[in-house]
Amino acid sequence: EDQVTQSPEALRLQEGESSSLNCSYTVSGLRGLFWYRQDPGKGPEFLFTLYSAGEEKEKERLKATLTKKESFLHITAPKPEDSATYLCAVRPTSGTYKYIFGTGTRLKVLA
Amino acid sequence: EAQVTQNPRYLITVTGKKLTVTCSQNMNHEYMSWYRQDPGLGLRQIYYSMNVEVTDKGDVPEGYKVSRKEKRNFPLILESPSPNQTSLYFCASRGSSSYEQYFGPGTRLTVT
Repeated sequence: EDQVTQSPEALRLQEGESSSLNCSYTVSGLRGLFWYRQDPGKGPEFLFTLYSAGEEKEKERLKATLTKKESFLHITAPKPEDSATYLCAVRPTSGTYKYIFGTGTRLKVLA
Repeated sequence: EAQVTQNPRYLITVTGKKLTVTCSQNMNHEYMSWYRQDPGLGLRQIYYSMNVEVTDKGDVPEGYKVSRKEKRNFPLILESPSPNQTSLYFCASRGSSSYEQYFGPGTRLTVT
């Protein structure tokens, strides 16, 4: 069965304290893996797409990496405005328009 | 500005009273989808549409209907809402050239 697991569920960091969020996935075939940021009461905001193992994408303090079984979202020197829930999703090769989302990691960055 | 809009943003209703949540996108996207988000369960797909007049069930379609008569609009219909449909609902769209979805701001629905 296709599934996505994110860890940790919640993470508290001091401003400037770098860390990584994990997204483990099990799918028969992968069309793409996606990272989203979601602020309270708002819709998910697209961050990155990764298509194949070894691929990396960067945006400001965020860097996403992909292996054959998991993806990491590395946050370097985070700021309080990086506080949000980060969602991971996969698009398997099976299914016409199927996306499987993880339950997210709630990140709190303290000043 | 490229966006997905939803209305209403907040809705409190009673069991059995039919309601419609509208979704519109201005990006000329072929694909549109509805999700519900519940604590501890993540985003789950309700229905999706690949183009005008083409729709299909997602993972949790029971109690919902959709239609796609125009490319830009994809309304979600609850003909007889029940309390277990209390949730946060999101509409999303994507174009045919990539897999990234773009989400609306959400509709918080409470059914009493």
